[in-house]
Amino acid sequence: RKEVEQDPGPFNVPEGATVAFNCTYSNSASQSFFWYRQDCRKEPKLLMSVYSSGNEDGRFTAQLNRASQYISLLIRDSKLSDSATYLCVVMGTTSGTYKYIFGTGTRLKVLA
Amino acid sequence: NAGVTQTPKFRVLKTGQSMTLLCAQDMNHEYMYWYRQDPGMGLRLIHYSVGEGTTAKGEVPDGYNVSRLKKQNFLLGLESAAPSQTSVYFCASRGQGLLRNNEQFFGPGTRLTVL
Repeated sequence: RKEVEQDPGPFNVPEGATVAFNCTYSNSASQSFFWYRQDCRKEPKLLMSVYSSGNEDGRFTAQLNRASQYISLLIRDSKLSDSATYLCVVMGTTSGTYKYIFGTGTRLKVLA
Repeated sequence: NAGVTQTPKFRVLKTGQSMTLLCAQDMNHEYMYWYRQDPGMGLRLIHYSVGEGTTAKGEVPDGYNVSRLKKQNFLLGLESAAPSQTSVYFCASRGQGLLRNNEQFFGPGTRLTVL
């Protein structure tokens, strides 16, 4: 089983739709969680850190479910500019060292 | 404030040639990382550094070496390039936050092709 798993998609949604992605992780001792956005041939950029209480930033909402070991990202009122790959990242410590594990990404296409 | 920068942006090498990729950050971050990204795979950690003068191996270190002589710079060297090292290389840095302010910031990447 991969340490971090994501549905690769693509998720094709019309403009204005609501779309949700999940990401599961295997290490129950993981400490920090992130969603990054990556455009084609560009670097990953932080979209949101995911906290236990959940967090919201405009049209984006992230949730953490430690019991079931997954994080989610909800995008409301999708825009064409939201088309990108969304990477789930999980951080934990191994032998005292912080280790970031990246999912392979979920591709989103927002259609006009 | 440029964040994380990488040079070069593109490079084509022949098998057996060597090269050095430079990463620089102006955020006074202690931690720096080198990743490679290949199609269908998540970013994989090559080497990392927890401070000036320190380096450590990541998940896929073979064929690469690194140095962190200055806090702001992290160099990745390919001693004898192989076609399997064709990839996009990303550098990242982060501050010292434990459970908060611990996100990584990425450079724009270097696209390397080894023929």
